[in-house]
Amino acid sequence: DAKTTQPTSMDCAEGRAANLPCNHSTISGNEYVYWYRQIHSQGPQYIIHGLKNNETNEMASLIITEDRKSSTLILPHATLRDTAVYYCIVRAYNNAGNMLTFGGGTRLMVKP
Amino acid sequence: EPEVTQTPSHQVTQMGQEVILRCVPISNHLYFYWYRQILGQKVEFLVSFYNNEISEKSEIFDDQFSVERPDGSNFTLKIRSTKLEDSAMYFCASRGAGGINQETQYFGPGTRLLVL
Repeated sequence: DAKTTQPTSMDCAEGRAANLPCNHSTISGNEYVYWYRQIHSQGPQYIIHGLKNNETNEMASLIITEDRKSSTLILPHATLRDTAVYYCIVRAYNNAGNMLTFGGGTRLMVKP
Repeated sequence: EPEVTQTPSHQVTQMGQEVILRCVPISNHLYFYWYRQILGQKVEFLVSFYNNEISEKSEIFDDQFSVERPDGSNFTLKIRSTKLEDSAMYFCASRGAGGINQETQYFGPGTRLLVL
């Protein structure tokens, strides 16, 4: 699976949009971009995934650049409960039991 | 909404003792995983399990570890003789099969294991 690079930490004001970047310049054609988050030692929580089109769900939006070398997770109206470590993970789609490889992630602090 | 559950939430054990961590995956899921996270460190993959056998394992998953699906609902991780360095949060995860939207892994809340 391709390697990802994320900023170590970011701050965001409550109510504002949080934009979390991720670089995955070595991503290959069959690899998806997944985002998970971990709130204070709880189990990682799935947020969203995408291949090349932008995606939106009730939690977030995922913007993937046309060359697929980077992506941005957008939390449109961050709340204090969104304070967490956010992980960008790239992995191929197949039916094998592939694991997720977690990096250090971005520690997002939402401030009042 | 279906969720992965894990028991116990906390476990304290003496070095050298055996522990069994239990997980109930989401009911129609077919792939099962164990991960661990030592305090302050990254989440690390241990093992994946499909069709009643291990499909992948990491270097961490040595002979002291074993997994089992003893019935149709539980998935267990056994550590035969615990070491101090086994102290960590252990997360179970599961996923379905059949299309990309079934590939998402869902994690349980974890078991915090402390080896004294």
